[in-house]
Amino acid sequence: DTEVTQTPKHLVMGMTNKKSLKCEQHMGHRAMYWYKQKAKKPPELMFVYSYEKLSINESVPSRFSPECPNSSLLNLHLHALQPEDSALYLCASSPTNSPAYEQYFGPGTRLTVT
Amino acid sequence: SQELEQSPQSLIVQEGKNLTINCTSSKTLYGLYWYKQKYGEGLIFLMMLQKGGEEKSHEKITAKLDEKKQQSSLHITASQPSHAGIYLCGADSDNQGGKLIFGQGTELSVKP
Repeated sequence: DTEVTQTPKHLVMGMTNKKSLKCEQHMGHRAMYWYKQKAKKPPELMFVYSYEKLSINESVPSRFSPECPNSSLLNLHLHALQPEDSALYLCASSPTNSPAYEQYFGPGTRLTVT
Repeated sequence: SQELEQSPQSLIVQEGKNLTINCTSSKTLYGLYWYKQKYGEGLIFLMMLQKGGEEKSHEKITAKLDEKKQQSSLHITASQPSHAGIYLCGADSDNQGGKLIFGQGTELSVKP
């Protein structure tokens, strides 16, 4: 299994809602990542987890809360988002967070905040 | 901080033609990755280059990393409509353990 899965595929939420994005991989990877991608722009790193511990937080607002409950699963909890947070959210994984390994990306969750 | 500059930003080629996309880094590259993305979808890994002078090929796509490890090129031979998409170069920023940064992307269209 060489796949990173993300659910849901699409999500529409109001600014007062609480929702979660889910990412899963069964490749035995120990590094997992969240990226945000706006239209016509490249992905921007949000968070890096290494061995289930948060290793990089790119100064992301606290309304985004990541969680890595086990080595296969990565969540992104969303609360009180703003319309400008609408974007494609991509999850990725790699064997470790070493630059010697490429990152495998999931298909993304298209988030719309109304 | 490290920056990646891609050129051209967009490219329209006739099917069967060759093309090259360039990626230039402001700092020495520890690892250079090429990805392809269809609009609104995830990134598909193409190739990774790490050593100066390294060259890798897969099907009709060849990627090279220059000796100084600051510039990479992606060459597609005999382009096909299936090659259309956005090509992104990525690099581990300052060797910071997974902090991947990307160039702005090159949008490729292939006319049948």
